[in-house]
Amino acid sequence: DQQVKQNSPSLSVQEGRISILNCDYTNSMFDYFLWYKKYPAEGPTFLISISSIKDKNEDGRFTVFLNKSAKHLSLHIVPSQPGDSAVYFCAGIDGSARQLTFGSGTQLTVLP
Amino acid sequence: DAGITQSPRYKITETGRQVTLMCHQTWSHSYMFWYRQDLGHGLRLIYYSAAADITDKGEVPDGYVVSRSKTENFPLTLESATRSQTSVYFCASSDGYVGNNEQFFGPGTRLTVL
Repeated sequence: DQQVKQNSPSLSVQEGRISILNCDYTNSMFDYFLWYKKYPAEGPTFLISISSIKDKNEDGRFTVFLNKSAKHLSLHIVPSQPGDSAVYFCAGIDGSARQLTFGSGTQLTVLP
Repeated sequence: DAGITQSPRYKITETGRQVTLMCHQTWSHSYMFWYRQDLGHGLRLIYYSAAADITDKGEVPDGYVVSRSKTENFPLTLESATRSQTSVYFCASSDGYVGNNEQFFGPGTRLTVL
């Protein structure tokens, strides 16, 4: 049973447009969410996070939105750049287990 | 080199052989982690360590052994490799466990078990 689901394995967006990556979760105990970005042949790198007490967190071109009632979060990238092409992982932290649970990832391709 | 390194980067082995994947970090982070990445599963935690000589199981520990005699090293051993252990393995480290403590990942080891 996957507690964090990224239902879109891939997404293509034109340069300059908005990229929206979605993530759904089932564990009500998650109290913190993170997005990681991964380039080929490299390890994941932290991108942005959000606490469950907030519904939005912004960092430059990246904004994460959290809808707790729907158990859904999304990452918005505006404007998208070719260098943003990577795999994006959503992850949740269980308040009691204190472990990161990752989704399966979404491959974003930004077309020039 | 500063940061977190893994060796080897690529490894091919046969079923039943013992394999050790190495992880080394230079930040003196107290926590270290091992994950495996498989298609359709994202990254799954195998083992983690809070400090030297302190280790604990993650989500998928079966078939793996870890040790941490020094803060900077966290080797992962497959005592008798199986084909299902073919995967990409990532080591990570952080100042604290989770939450506000960012985990820094190594470049990964691609392991193939024939």
